[in-house]
Amino acid sequence: TQLLEQSPQFLSIQEGENLTVYCNSSSVFSSLQWYRQEPGEGPVLLVTVVTGGEVKKLKRLTFQFGDARKDSSLHITAAQPGDTGLYLCAGGPNDHGSSNTGKLIFGQGTTLQVKP
Amino acid sequence: ETGVTQSPTHLIKTRGQQVTLRCSSQSGHNTVSWYQQALGQGPQFIFQYYREEENGRGNFPPRFSGLQFPNYSSELNVNALELDDSALYLCASGDRESTGELFFGEGSRLTVL
Repeated sequence: TQLLEQSPQFLSIQEGENLTVYCNSSSVFSSLQWYRQEPGEGPVLLVTVVTGGEVKKLKRLTFQFGDARKDSSLHITAAQPGDTGLYLCAGGPNDHGSSNTGKLIFGQGTTLQVKP
Repeated sequence: ETGVTQSPTHLIKTRGQQVTLRCSSQSGHNTVSWYQQALGQGPQFIFQYYREEENGRGNFPPRFSGLQFPNYSSELNVNALELDDSALYLCASGDRESTGELFFGEGSRLTVL
């Protein structure tokens, strides 16, 4: 069974601080996605990484896929209160074609609170 | 906004009842997946439909069933509701030829009493 473990589970920081969220597994994934979810809403896709070692930047957010495609990290620079939310990583199983099956394996999430 | 709509947004049922949740996929997408998200947890994959057939199923009992219609809308049916079925049910649509990105609706919050 493929599992994704996120750490930390909860993070409360002051505006302007930097933070990193980790997503780790012992399994290889064909792709990895990061979502952000606000209370009462569905997850919203932030980024997809597919190549080992890939780094993508989205404004103050930097995403990295591990070389072995087993782990990923999300780094936020100068966090703002608007960054508050639940951050979820999700992996596509490394079966032939299964990255397109819609079967994503989610981590348990990291709840981020950024205080003004 | 993802273009994926779900209904109802909230509902309350009692143990043993049956429930049907509905989803309208984003235009141009050909797959629909359903996820269950318990409070404080990440979503858990229930099943996915492609071309009106089930195409992958997670670790959920047979009382969880679904349908996909020719217009790519979908239903999730749950029979014999149990208290532990209380959760946010998320529908997600995607394109099978893409890199597996999913676009989620806002979910249906089910409470079983």
